[in-house]
Amino acid sequence: DIQMTQSPSSLSASVGDRVTITCRASQSISSYLNWYQQKPGKAPKLLIYAASSLQSGVPSRFSGSGSGTDFTLTISSLQPEDFATYYCQQSYSTPQDTFGPGTKVDIK
Amino acid sequence: QLQLQESGPGLVKPSETLSLTCTVSGGSISSSSYYWGWIRQPPGKGLEWIGSIYYSGSTYYNPSLKSRVTISVDTSKNQFSLKLSSVTAADTAVYYCARRRLLGGVDYWGQGTLVTVSS
Repeated sequence: DIQMTQSPSSLSASVGDRVTITCRASQSISSYLNWYQQKPGKAPKLLIYAASSLQSGVPSRFSGSGSGTDFTLTISSLQPEDFATYYCQQSYSTPQDTFGPGTKVDIK
Repeated sequence: QLQLQESGPGLVKPSETLSLTCTVSGGSISSSSYYWGWIRQPPGKGLEWIGSIYYSGSTYYNPSLKSRVTISVDTSKNQFSLKLSSVTAADTAVYYCARRRLLGGVDYWGQGTLVTVSS
């Protein structure tokens, strides 16, 4: 089974900050990596698919990079509505997906 | 606009079977471009993929749940369903139904339904 880890598990940041979240896979997953945003009481929302492709309707301040085992989600300028929990997900072993444990972004 | 809606009991007794149905509207479940699946989230915890089904009926389950899970599809009703047997308190979670693209990425989610396992 492919295991996913994320770091940090939580972070505090201010509006306007550049934020970077890292996701690592236990084996190479090529570019089969997706990122989601989840706010309390809501379903997750797809932000990035295939490591670096921006989902339709998602603001361009969100970007993804990486391949193989190491991936990054970057928010270029944190906005008030971006405070949420972010999850990575591998879809290499399709459709037997695995999610990372999540990174909570809160207000400093 | 595609919509997914979970339905089923919010309370299940230990050792019984949890049953949920997802009704898809605004699109066909028979599309060859997607899998349809279930994902759960225990209170305050992360996301866990339960399993997926293709419109043809091919199923894929999380190995850790495989012995207890059955997912089925009813294309005539544009619905798919989840059954999880022998539930315990550890199965208490918000259960989401979702559409997953063939090449990855869950692009549509239901609103989620909380299922509590308790006597």
